[in-house]
Amino acid sequence: GAVVSQHPSRVICKSGTSVKIECRSLDFQATTMFWYRQFPKQSLMLMATSNEGSKATYEQGVEKDKFLINHASLTLSTLTVTSAHPEDSSFYICSARDMTVGGTDTQYFGPGTRLTVL
Amino acid sequence: GNSVTQMEGPVTLSEEAFLTINCTYTATGYPSLFWYVQYPGEGLQLLLKATKADDKGSNKGFEATYRKETTSFHLEKGSVQVSDSAVYFCALRVSNDYKLSFGAGTTVTVRA
Repeated sequence: GAVVSQHPSRVICKSGTSVKIECRSLDFQATTMFWYRQFPKQSLMLMATSNEGSKATYEQGVEKDKFLINHASLTLSTLTVTSAHPEDSSFYICSARDMTVGGTDTQYFGPGTRLTVL
Repeated sequence: GNSVTQMEGPVTLSEEAFLTINCTYTATGYPSLFWYVQYPGEGLQLLLKATKADDKGSNKGFEATYRKETTSFHLEKGSVQVSDSAVYFCALRVSNDYKLSFGAGTTVTVRA
């Protein structure tokens, strides 16, 4: 099946710094990617929809200036957590939508990035 | 709005036991329904899906039937293995909206 990678898998940073997380679709082009946040023992919460070549669409309650999303190519979306604080510590997961003609229009998920802000 | 409610865990079973994880939903529109599995240290993987009422999704011995009358999509497996230990998420997607809405996840542990 299709593969989505995320980098880094884990990151620890100091409060006030910015952290960039990459999401790549390795064997298909993804015009749409999604960013989720998962709290311990809770479900995935959709943060934003990332569209290649246009601005991301953020879910209600998600600060777009806090969580910057860039989808500059058909295989790469980045999430930058700006001026991170301890409450931003979480597991961030991306998914990429495979819209290949004749395919199954399935979302494939990355393995996630564990962010810890000290 | 759209929401998914699934059975709380954790669930602990012995190998070869029968597994059921209940999932019910509310949705505006006609949803597609999914079960995703997250193995320890890995990302979510699509386990099975159903796109219309009475469809049965199946994969790796797991099955779930789309029941519109009860708004349910319960996951079942007749004989679990230790390798089935994972977190299982029920999810829906409304046909004109490609966003997925997830349930809270159910942690399943299978003991040898």
